[in-house]
Amino acid sequence: EAGVAQSPRYKIIEKRQSVAFWCNPISGHATLYWYQQILGQGPKLLIQFQNNGVVDDSQLPKDRFSAERLKGVDSTLKIQPAKLEDSAVYLCASSPVKRPNTGELFFGEGSRLTVL
Amino acid sequence: QQQVKQSPQSLIVQKGGISIINCAYENTAFDYFPWYQQFPGKGPALLIAIRPDVSEKKEGRFTISFNKSAKQFSLHIMDSQPGDSATYFCAATPRANNLFFGTGTRLTVIP
Repeated sequence: EAGVAQSPRYKIIEKRQSVAFWCNPISGHATLYWYQQILGQGPKLLIQFQNNGVVDDSQLPKDRFSAERLKGVDSTLKIQPAKLEDSAVYLCASSPVKRPNTGELFFGEGSRLTVL
Repeated sequence: QQQVKQSPQSLIVQKGGISIINCAYENTAFDYFPWYQQFPGKGPALLIAIRPDVSEKKEGRFTISFNKSAKQFSLHIMDSQPGDSATYFCAATPRANNLFFGTGTRLTVIP
């Protein structure tokens, strides 16, 4: 079974530029998550989708971050304009059920963003 | 506000020794407590998990101890091996779906 795919793996941009990350979850997984992992910290949820609807985006900085999940499969996370503090690894995860306490989250390898 | 507090930040253990990582939480709505293992350049992967209705869960060399009244839980790695060297995250989730992660413990097992 293929895992969660993410691209690009690495991205370096200047502040105020824009960047987009792509995620393809495990086939059949209805729930998709984007987490931000700053160096030395645990992952923090940015947004959670159930199929193509948003379940939780309370921690998403909506003035600069946006995310969509078209057709309930692939997802894109965009940052525009980027700030220095956005330097982090952006992790995509998927789950076959809505509630993670009835199953586990499957994480991709992440997209490492460096903002100069 | 850190929902789940984890310690220590880093841990060095001799091969064959016991590694112990501790976590504490405040939110009594949390009802699932997983531990994730993360190797450099990889995403976190579920290692072991426990629900609050049991005090201990063991899977191979990995054991979770859970103290509901103290709102604390810990991961014990018995007979630690160099291959266990990784960052370990405790986490907790309430009925609202979100996983709250601790700050992580970098474990180094010395051969």
